Amino acid sequence: NAGVTQTPKFQVLKTGQSMTLQCAQDMNHEYMSWYRQDPGMGLRLIHYSVGAGITDQGEVPNGYNVSRSTTEDFPLRLLSAAPSQTSVYFCASTPVYGGGNGGYTFGSGTRLTVV
Amino acid sequence: SQQGEEDPQALSIQEGENATMNCSYKTSINNLQWYRQNSGRGLVHLILIRSNEREKHSGRLRVTLDTSKKSSSLLITASRAADTASYFCANDYKLSFGAGTTVTVRA
Repeated sequence: NAGVTQTPKFQVLKTGQSMTLQCAQDMNHEYMSWYRQDPGMGLRLIHYSVGAGITDQGEVPNGYNVSRSTTEDFPLRLLSAAPSQTSVYFCASTPVYGGGNGGYTFGSGTRLTVV
Repeated sequence: SQQGEEDPQALSIQEGENATMNCSYKTSINNLQWYRQNSGRGLVHLILIRSNEREKHSGRLRVTLDTSKKSSSLLITASRAADTASYFCANDYKLSFGAGTTVTVRA
């Protein structure tokens, strides 16, 4: 049981490049979300999904796109990378919105640097 | 704006001492959760307390919730070096996080 798997673990992009951060979970969780973590800012919600085919914006969605074609996968796309998107990105999942009894399961993160 | 705020921002204690940190939130909640993050790692769920609960225990962790004050506290008893980490509270409103409390346990 792998939990939440994020790839890649590290990435360096040039300004203007696009890329997709992958997130996959094998727990059949309906709810998945993406966060970015910057020093002193805690975690900020980018996008979330309450099930396949349903996505919505979080606190800081600009510059990012998501889709949820399957229950297992929730990729995050950077459309045109900017230095302000340098951050650590976390994907999380849970069986039900709000965390249920066991809270959210987080991936190990992707460290992205935009130069 | 973030929905949760932890206090203090940083805490340094001696091994064996207790660590207490607080969390305030702005919206109504169904539950409040606490997570731990070790340096460079993902967040790990510690404990969840529901809005109709006032106190909950799990091992060396004790969480309280005061919905009238929109606040919660996390107590770690008999701290160990392995408790050195950042601790975050999150409410179930889109699972919003505060900036966390960084706890350092000195040997």
